Amino acid sequence: AQTVTQSQPEMSVQEAETVTLSCTYDTSESNYYLFWYKQPPSRQMILVIRQEAYKQQNATENRFSVNFQKAAKSFSLKISDSQLGDTAMYFCAFMKGGGSEKLVFGKGTKLTVNP
Amino acid sequence: DSGVTQTPKHLITATGQRVTLRCSPRSGDLSVYWYQQSLDQGLQFLIQYYNGEERAKGNILERFSAQQFPDLHSELNLSSLELGDSALYFCASSASLAENRYEQYFGPGTRLTVT
Repeated sequence: AQTVTQSQPEMSVQEAETVTLSCTYDTSESNYYLFWYKQPPSRQMILVIRQEAYKQQNATENRFSVNFQKAAKSFSLKISDSQLGDTAMYFCAFMKGGGSEKLVFGKGTKLTVNP
Repeated sequence: DSGVTQTPKHLITATGQRVTLRCSPRSGDLSVYWYQQSLDQGLQFLIQYYNGEERAKGNILERFSAQQFPDLHSELNLSSLELGDSALYFCASSASLAENRYEQYFGPGTRLTVT
C-alpha cells in the first residue's frame, strides 16, 4: 500500500517570503501522479499542482513549484512571494496510474502567512 | 468554485439514524469519488463511481453505500450512524479524457455531526 508522509505539522512564513513544504511517499509503482491540494479555512479542497512521475521536469503554476526527486521519493512544494491568502492546510497526495484513481493523502501541513 | 456541488452543507442527526448526502459532478465528468475527512483518520478515500458503475472501493464501512444515477449525480448513504461518523464528507469529480482524468476537483463538502 502507498503511504504519504508530511513531516511538518505546522509552518509559518512572512508575507512576500518563500517557503517549502515537504512530502515523502512510499510506493513500488513506476507509474503514478503526485498532487498538492490546498484547504483554506473555508474547508474547500483546491488543486494547486500536479506532477507526473514519468516527467523529469518539475511542475510549476505561477508562484507554486515542486521539487520532484523520484529516486528519493520526495515531492516538496515551494511557494514564492507568499501572500496572506496562502494561509491554509496543504495536503500532499499520491495516485497510482493505470486506472486506480483514488487519492492517498498525507496528514497535511498547516501554513500560516504572517503580515 | 470547482463546479462540483454538494448538498446539504451541514447535517446534524442522532446516533442510529440514516442520512443521504448528494453530489453533482462538474458538467461532463463521468467519475465521482467520495472522501471522508475526520480529525483522527485524516482524508480517506471511500468509493469511486464511473458512469454509473462502481469502479473502486476504499475504507468504506458496510453501513455506508453509494450509487451514481443516469444523470451522473451521486448519493452517499450512511446508516446506523455512530458518533465516530461525524466528519466532513467530500465528493470529487474528474474528466474522462486520458490525461485530465487524473485531476480531481472537490465539492465544498457536507459537514455531518452525529449527536
